Amino acid sequence: QKEVEQNSGPLSVPEGAIASLNCTYSDRVSQSFFWYRQYSGKSPELIMSIYSNGDKEDGRFTAQLNKASQYVSLLIRDSQPSDSATYLCAVNSGGSYIPTFGRGTSLIVHP
Amino acid sequence: EAGVAQSPRYKIIEKRQSVAFWCNPISGHATLYWYQQILGQGPKLLIQFQNNGVVDDSQLPKDRFSAERLKGVDSTLKIQPAKLEDSAVYLCASSPGLAGGNQETQYFGPGTRLLVL
Repeated sequence: QKEVEQNSGPLSVPEGAIASLNCTYSDRVSQSFFWYRQYSGKSPELIMSIYSNGDKEDGRFTAQLNKASQYVSLLIRDSQPSDSATYLCAVNSGGSYIPTFGRGTSLIVHP
Repeated sequence: EAGVAQSPRYKIIEKRQSVAFWCNPISGHATLYWYQQILGQGPKLLIQFQNNGVVDDSQLPKDRFSAERLKGVDSTLKIQPAKLEDSAVYLCASSPGLAGGNQETQYFGPGTRLLVL
């Protein structure tokens, strides 16, 4: 049973701060890693994808992957109240890229 | 480009009744996913199709759930008979393919909220 673990939170940060979201996964041969954002009552939408070790930056978002430690993280710089949402970590594994989602981390950015 | 379409958006049924959900993926997307999301949890994959073939249905409760994707385009998910614990949001997603990279990026529909009384 593939597992993706996330702290459910809530993680509360002040506006303008850096929010750090973490995710660990159990399947050592996982290939693809995704962060989705889900606002309350809405569907998930892709924020970042990462496939190789290291950092990947896109605007205020940075994804970090460490396959040896089976760990992926998402940093949000200059956090805004509009970033308040649940952040879902998803990992694709196997030859058919079967996705497994974590339970999500609730982020609250307060003014 | 039109997004993933799902219907109905809301459904209320009594336990032991049957219900069906419909999904139309983004045009040209080969891979289609059905998820169950219970409040406070992440999406749980029920079934994954590649064109009209099943890639994975290991978490689909096959005694009551069924899904099909005829002609490799739209798909239906059925529950028969429904139980109280089936109350959840049922999400449909599609991706271009399975080749890796951007092919795996999933685009989600608005979901169907099911309440079983």
